Amino acid sequence: QSVLTQPPSASGTPGQRVTISCSGSNSNIESNYVYWYQQLPETAPKLLISKNNQRPSGVPDRFSGSKSGTSASLAISGLRSEDEADYYCAAWDDSLSGWVFGGGTKLTVL
Amino acid sequence: EVQLVESGGGLVQPGRSLRLSCAASGFSFDDYAMHWVRQAPGKGLEWVAGISWNSGSIGYAGSVKGRFTISRDNAKGSLYLQIDSLRPEDTALYYCAKAGPGGTYDYFDYWGQGILVTVSS
Repeated sequence: QSVLTQPPSASGTPGQRVTISCSGSNSNIESNYVYWYQQLPETAPKLLISKNNQRPSGVPDRFSGSKSGTSASLAISGLRSEDEADYYCAAWDDSLSGWVFGGGTKLTVL
Repeated sequence: EVQLVESGGGLVQPGRSLRLSCAASGFSFDDYAMHWVRQAPGKGLEWVAGISWNSGSIGYAGSVKGRFTISRDNAKGSLYLQIDSLRPEDTALYYCAKAGPGGTYDYFDYWGQGILVTVSS
């Protein structure tokens, strides 16, 4: 059971906007930055969103992140087939003194 | 270009030990903290351990504390993970990850391709 809670699956059609949620607590999301990672099939995770809402160089502006209180979300607009992947949220947890992840959300592009 | 290449995995019997290595290149290795993150087959990501740039600060996930030892050799640009008393639940793909610029256990900004460890008799 993951410390951060994500829906196991999400889906959308090409061009749509989808949102993936990540729920935590005051010891992780509320107190620290949230990061999002994209894991394409059979590949290593890749940093998608840094420090709640910052896109690293090379990440399309179709991807955006936000945080409010003990929850965060990742939004993907203009959905494309190549966005089909697993998405993970992560945050430092002050109580555990370690990094915690969400269980991952499998995004399907219909 | 940042490159992280893991090695040392394989099939190991329960109770045995294993040492994973990660060769880093493309950045100033001794300026950054490093991490190990694992992923059991078909499961999510789990942070295992982190080490500061000078090995002065080390942290472990509760699930591995006492059995796993993270270390680094800045002269060789290498990161290590010693795993003792291996258990079947340690079966996973182990990723080496570079930390961001912000501090001892900063987030993971680059990942290796991972090395598979299978614990089975």
